[in-house]
Amino acid sequence: QVQLVQSGAEVKKPGSSVRVSCKASGGTFSTYAIGWVRQAPGQGLEWMGGIIPIMGTEKYAQRFQGRVTITTDESTTTAYMELSSLTSEDTGVYYCARGVINRWYFFDYWGQGTLVTVSS
Amino acid sequence: EIVLTQSPGTLSLSPGRRAALSCRASQSISGPFLAWYQQKPGQAPRLLIHRASSRATGTPDRFSGSGSGTDFTLTISRLEPEDFAVYYCQQYGSSPLTFGGGTKVEI
Repeated sequence: QVQLVQSGAEVKKPGSSVRVSCKASGGTFSTYAIGWVRQAPGQGLEWMGGIIPIMGTEKYAQRFQGRVTITTDESTTTAYMELSSLTSEDTGVYYCARGVINRWYFFDYWGQGTLVTVSS
Repeated sequence: EIVLTQSPGTLSLSPGRRAALSCRASQSISGPFLAWYQQKPGQAPRLLIHRASSRATGTPDRFSGSGSGTDFTLTISRLEPEDFAVYYCQQYGSSPLTFGGGTKVEI
């Protein structure tokens, strides 16, 4: 049974960075993509970027380019998303999800979400 | 970037009724590489449909997806109480991956 377990809620100051982890179990880690999706309070879903471990390639959405870094540690089957230069507009729930590669990818399993609050 | 527009924003229906949710793309989606998700309050999204019409494992057969090109539909044949939620479409035919704004199905 595939599970993605994310790290706990974070409260950050404006201008700082946050790193969220996503521990995967129950599947073949490297042959799927891992994507990160943000959901601002009361809003829809927004793809931030993703990585395909077996290819070692990352791709980021333009609006997060330069601020977000997605990495994986295959030895621990854990993915990480780091977002820098935080502002209040980065407040929201951050999800990791396993991507089934088919042209690009859709998401068949999701983490429980991590609430990041940016506040002075 | 492919923009996905979902309509209506909110659909008010009674249990047992049929629901049809629309997802329209700003340009043709190859494949068609389109997925549908269901999200309930406080929960992560759940995959329902991929490749426009293929049900994911565990998706009840009252959910069906159809469409091609720029027009796609998610149909719920008979609404069950647990189906009242927000539904999102997502295209994965090109980068960046994009989601629609969602349709809320409410009682």
